[in-house]
Amino acid sequence: QVQLVQSGAEVKKPGASVKVSCKASGYTFTGYYMHWVRQAPGQGLEWMGWINPNSGGTNYAQKFQGRVTMTRDTSISTAYMELSRLRSDDTAVYYCARDLCPTLYYYDSSGKDYYMDVWGKGTTVTVSS
Amino acid sequence: QSVLTQPPSASGTPGQRVTISCSGSSSNIGSNYVYWYQQLPGTAPKLLIYRNNQRPSGVPDRFSGSKSGTSASLAISGLRSEDEADYYCAAWDDSLSGFWVFGGGTKLTVL
Repeated sequence: QVQLVQSGAEVKKPGASVKVSCKASGYTFTGYYMHWVRQAPGQGLEWMGWINPNSGGTNYAQKFQGRVTMTRDTSISTAYMELSRLRSDDTAVYYCARDLCPTLYYYDSSGKDYYMDVWGKGTTVTVSS
Repeated sequence: QSVLTQPPSASGTPGQRVTISCSGSSSNIGSNYVYWYQQLPGTAPKLLIYRNNQRPSGVPDRFSGSKSGTSASLAISGLRSEDEADYYCAAWDDSLSGFWVFGGGTKLTVL
């Protein structure tokens, strides 16, 4: 079955960076886009961006541009999300989520017809001095 | 605040039918599919409804979705205690270069 296994909880100081991993199994990792979504304590869901695991292409939400970097390692079917210059309001649970849009399509034009179907369990990132 | 607007809370008694609304705009709900996710306490979101009104396999037919104009609704009939959870609507927004937007979530309490 499709599974996304994320790395463990992190505690970081303000100004530091954090890198969260998401290991995929049960499907062809390079075949589908991957998103990162975060949820601050007691808050709703916030989309951060997507990565095309096949090409490495990315698209980030405007709010995170310049601070977020999404990468992947196809040899181990793992996606990564690195957030830099952490602030206290970055304290949140970070989720990876597979999108059913095939990577052979351009997400900008085709992504709207697909959706996030499987989510990882989340990684808690706490930013505190 | 969230781009899509949901009521913060809803409630019902076992067996009742409840609906949760989600309001957006022409750039998101008005021109794209709506999705619903269920988040049980302490767990990750789970896909409940896709493409406005389709249920993934394994989701009971007690759950149904609909969309009209720039609004959407999730209906849960025959309410059960295990339905107590947070529910989020989502849609693609065509603004800028395109991005996903979510509602703020509705906490459903089964009385």
